[in-house]
Parts: sequence; structure tokens; C-alpha cells
Amino acid sequence: GAGVSQSPRYKVAKRGQDVALRCDPISGHVSLFWYQQALGQGPEFLTYFQNEAQLDKSGLPSDRFFAERPEGSVSTLKIQRTQQEDSAVYLCASSLGGDGNEQYFGPGTRLTVT
Amino acid sequence: DQQVKQNSPSLSVQEGRISILNCDYTNSMFDYFLWYKKYPAEGPTFLISISSIKDKNEDGRFTVFLNKSAKHLSLHIVPSQPGDSAVYFCAATPRGANNLFFGTGTRLTVIP
Repeated sequence: GAGVSQSPRYKVAKRGQDVALRCDPISGHVSLFWYQQALGQGPEFLTYFQNEAQLDKSGLPSDRFFAERPEGSVSTLKIQRTQQEDSAVYLCASSLGGDGNEQYFGPGTRLTVT
Repeated sequence: DQQVKQNSPSLSVQEGRISILNCDYTNSMFDYFLWYKKYPAEGPTFLISISSIKDKNEDGRFTVFLNKSAKHLSLHIVPSQPGDSAVYFCAATPRGANNLFFGTGTRLTVIP
């Protein structure tokens, strides 16, 4: 497909487990973003990559959150020792250029921590 | 601190009428504004945008208006169609930044 894809679409984790969420951006898109969307809220920025470089991680809520994009395409968001407050939809977006305008979003991964 | 605010959580409009969705922002550094549409179980889809150097941008049935002095923007959909029923998010980005700041969304229901 031509759009942003994310896997898994749904993930249930027991509190304390580690999870890894994958994002496949649109081919050729330079910029990749991760957002967290809590129930009833808008997406909130987590981190930004330009190619393989993580240029902004100011939105990551704690050091349990880690993101990488080693080859400048696929990205993984890892959450260690999950907590109940981590339950949310995690959205990945990509954009063609080096700016944040007109980002294209994937369907998201709904994470539920029990 | 919510820098982008959508104060109406929901809006219902008759098919064929105009839908007006509103958005307010507090950060004067925002210079690019976007509207996204979201269906259940899907990611947000880009709809229309406007730069701070303009006060209006139109694309088919969708028009976005920007009032910089009031720090307010609105999305007009006319005529509204049942397929427009979705959650609409307003988003903004400051000059030189990369991430988007989103509002909390407005759920639009277009009644046939």
C-alpha cells in the first residue's frame, strides 16, 4: 500500500512488560513522527526523526520510552516496563520534506496495559 | 497547557447545510495551521491547511479562515454530506518547528 502502516494494530500488555510498536512510513518520506493519543484527546507529539537522526525527543514522557529509525525508513517505538498510564493509541506519521507540514498518519496501534 | 483548543466537542448539522468548526490557539509563534479528519479506527487524514500569511484557503467544499489577531481559525464545509461525519482535529505548528500541536477534536454528525 502507499500509506503509512503500523503494527500491531492492537496490543494488550500486562503491567511491567516491554512492548515494541512498528511504523512503516510512506516510501521516500524524510520525516517521521510518533504521537500518543489518549482517549478523548488530540494526538500529542512524542518524537521526530529526519532520516535516521532523532532530532527531537522532547515529547517522550519518560526514559521508559525509546524510539529508533536505524536505516531511515522503518521506525520502532519501544516502551519498557509498561504502566497503565501508557494505555493510548500510538500514531506514526511521515512527511515528504524536512518540515512538519502535511503529515500523513498511519492507523495507529492501540495499546492497553492491564 | 493546551495551546490549541476546540471548545465544541460535538456538532450536528443537517445534510446540505453549512458546518462550521472552530479552533482557538494561544501561541503567537504558530504560523501554519491544518485540519485533519478522523474516522473510527483510522489515523487522522489531512484535509486542508493555511499559512499565516493568508486569511483564507479554499478546496472544493472546504474553506479554512484564519483570524490572526483573534488567534482563531474555522473550517467551513458546504454543503455538508453524511460522509463528512467524523472527528475533526485542528492542528498548528510554530515557525521552525516540526511537530504538530493538536486540539481535542470536534465530532461532526451530518444528519441525512
